[in-house]
Amino acid sequence: GENVEQHPSTLSVQEGDSAVIKCTYSDSASNYFPWYKQELGKRPQLIIDIRSNVGEKKDQRIAVTLNKTAKHFSLHITETQPEDSAVYFCAANTGGFKTIFGAGTRLFVKA
Amino acid sequence: DGGITQSPKYLFRKEGQNVTLSCEQNLNHDAMYWYRQDPGQGLRLIYYSQIVNDFQKGDIAEGYSVSREKKESFPLTVTSAQKNPTAFYLCASSSTGGKGEQYFGPGTRLTVT
Repeated sequence: GENVEQHPSTLSVQEGDSAVIKCTYSDSASNYFPWYKQELGKRPQLIIDIRSNVGEKKDQRIAVTLNKTAKHFSLHITETQPEDSAVYFCAANTGGFKTIFGAGTRLFVKA
Repeated sequence: DGGITQSPKYLFRKEGQNVTLSCEQNLNHDAMYWYRQDPGQGLRLIYYSQIVNDFQKGDIAEGYSVSREKKESFPLTVTSAQKNPTAFYLCASSSTGGKGEQYFGPGTRLTVT
């Protein structure tokens, strides 16, 4: 069935360094790839998304890249700050109502 | 934080009891979802509803039931048949089509002893 794998499960970086989270998906019909951030005790919130007709999208310090051939997509956070510490989820959607989420990456940014 | 609400925030039940979790949204979204979140397993889809009076099973529907009598409301019942009900439950909604942002509620943490 449809599957989204996410790595690493935990990531620790020094403040100011970059962080990269990678995901792979199994359903080649997937065409929408959102990323959600969940701070401790709070609800997941969309931080960036990308559609299959685009290879890269950037929003200030965060960027997402998509390689449709390899079925990979990645989240890049530059100049990390302590407030970036959270759990990040990637997801894939084929255009229907069902979205498949990765298992999440817990990011720690050390001051 | 408005738009989609869940109640209560914490819920405690004894084994063998059914319990209903509330989810309400005022975003005029057609689609609503229920997810279960366990440590290290991400968000797993329990049920989803595309429109009033219609809903479909997700990946882990066994032991759960839902109803969608009103556009704004999508309650989830955790029945005694659910073998491991202790978890964090998240409700979400999205606009028609599903290929867009899902808005999540604050979640309900259910503990069954």
